[in-house]
Amino acid sequence: DSGVTQTPKHLITATGQRVTLRCSPRSGDLSVYWYQQSLDQGLQFLIQYYNGEERAKGNILERFSAQQFPDLHSELNLSSLELGDSALYFCASSVDVGYNEQFFGPGTRLTVL
Amino acid sequence: GESVGLHLPTLSVQEGDNSIINCAYSNSASDYFIWYKQESGKGPQFIIDIRSNMDKRQGQRVTVLLNKTVKHLSLQIAATQPGDSAVYFCADPPRTSYDKVIFGPGTSLSVIP
Repeated sequence: DSGVTQTPKHLITATGQRVTLRCSPRSGDLSVYWYQQSLDQGLQFLIQYYNGEERAKGNILERFSAQQFPDLHSELNLSSLELGDSALYFCASSVDVGYNEQFFGPGTRLTVL
Repeated sequence: GESVGLHLPTLSVQEGDNSIINCAYSNSASDYFIWYKQESGKGPQFIIDIRSNMDKRQGQRVTVLLNKTVKHLSLQIAATQPGDSAVYFCADPPRTSYDKVIFGPGTSLSVIP
């Protein structure tokens, strides 16, 4: 158990819908990262927050947005969902940034029908 | 652009043999790397890291070698066991909170009993 929690574990929805994925980092970790992993694909970095501020962006679509709240938990919002958005979404946290390992949550499996 | 890549997408190894997973990177400024292991249905887990002031680092049954001249690193697993079956990623972590995170595409290791 990494100490990072993600909810829900599974999510099934329809095209055009909007969903919110939630992540609680390890106690004391200030950085939160979001990743997308499609079937048989590597980890695609989406976005990173540090202590409530957005710090780095990867290949995140405009339909996707995220935020980190004062209690350091984070939410990833996915809207106007398309079939191709079906994937595993991982959240990771680290104490700080730079030269730190990331601790990954168990992931949320999103299926768009 | 910057990239981190693995030479082989899949690797099959007989139980008890040694495994070698390779990774190439393109950013000459990269000075810290992490290897992660992702078992089926789970989030990635830290295995071992190495800084650029080292050529070699050993853990329990794992060794990482770094060749800065050719920008290549490898993960060696000694006496491979069935529990080692997983996807292995090399990662170039951010050095500052404004850097993107770069993961390689992953190598799937299958251990043959």
